Amino acid sequence: EAGVTQFPSHSVIEKGQTVTLRCDPISGHDNLYWYRRVMGKEIKFLLHFVKESKQDESGMPNNRFLAERTGGTYSTLKVQPAELEDSGVYFCASSPRQGLGEQYFGPGTRLTVT
Amino acid sequence: QKEVEQDPGPLSVPEGAIVSLNCTYSNSAFQYFMWYRQYSRKGPELLMYTYSSGNKEDGRFTAQVDKSSKYISLFIRDSQPSDSATYLCAMSVPKAGNNRKLIWGLGTSLAVNP
Repeated sequence: EAGVTQFPSHSVIEKGQTVTLRCDPISGHDNLYWYRRVMGKEIKFLLHFVKESKQDESGMPNNRFLAERTGGTYSTLKVQPAELEDSGVYFCASSPRQGLGEQYFGPGTRLTVT
Repeated sequence: QKEVEQDPGPLSVPEGAIVSLNCTYSNSAFQYFMWYRQYSRKGPELLMYTYSSGNKEDGRFTAQVDKSSKYISLFIRDSQPSDSATYLCAMSVPKAGNNRKLIWGLGTSLAVNP
């Protein structure tokens, strides 16, 4: 069984540009989560999808971030326009169940905004 | 004050040593207490989780929770070089709709030397 995959593994963009991160969850997992880790800080929750619906987006930093999950399969996280403080590692996780269902993490996308 | 405190280390031990990793927390609403292991350039991987105060054992790993002191620990017996990784504690707070949100520690970097 393939794990959670994320693309790209690393992205370097200039301030003001747009970047789109993609996450492919484990097949059949309805729950999909986005997290971010800024250097020197803890991993922070961004949002949670159940199928194609946003269950909780309380962690999204601001309206420059837009997450979608069309058809309840893969998800994208777009940052537009990117700022320096958006740099960090963005993790995606999926889970077959809500509640405390084990979350399986992808390897992350390392975003550097210069 | 952070909700979850974890010493980032680094912690360096010889092979075969007993390792003790710890987190403290301030939020009495935390329900589940988890330990994740993260290898370099990989996503976090769930090792163990506990709900109540007490010990839970899984092979060489023991998770301990003391809710009265708001303190959790992970013990690794007979540590191996393959245990070298970052260990993150995470705690869940209940949300509406049987969902839970994870609050993370900084992670402790562990090196087990042959």
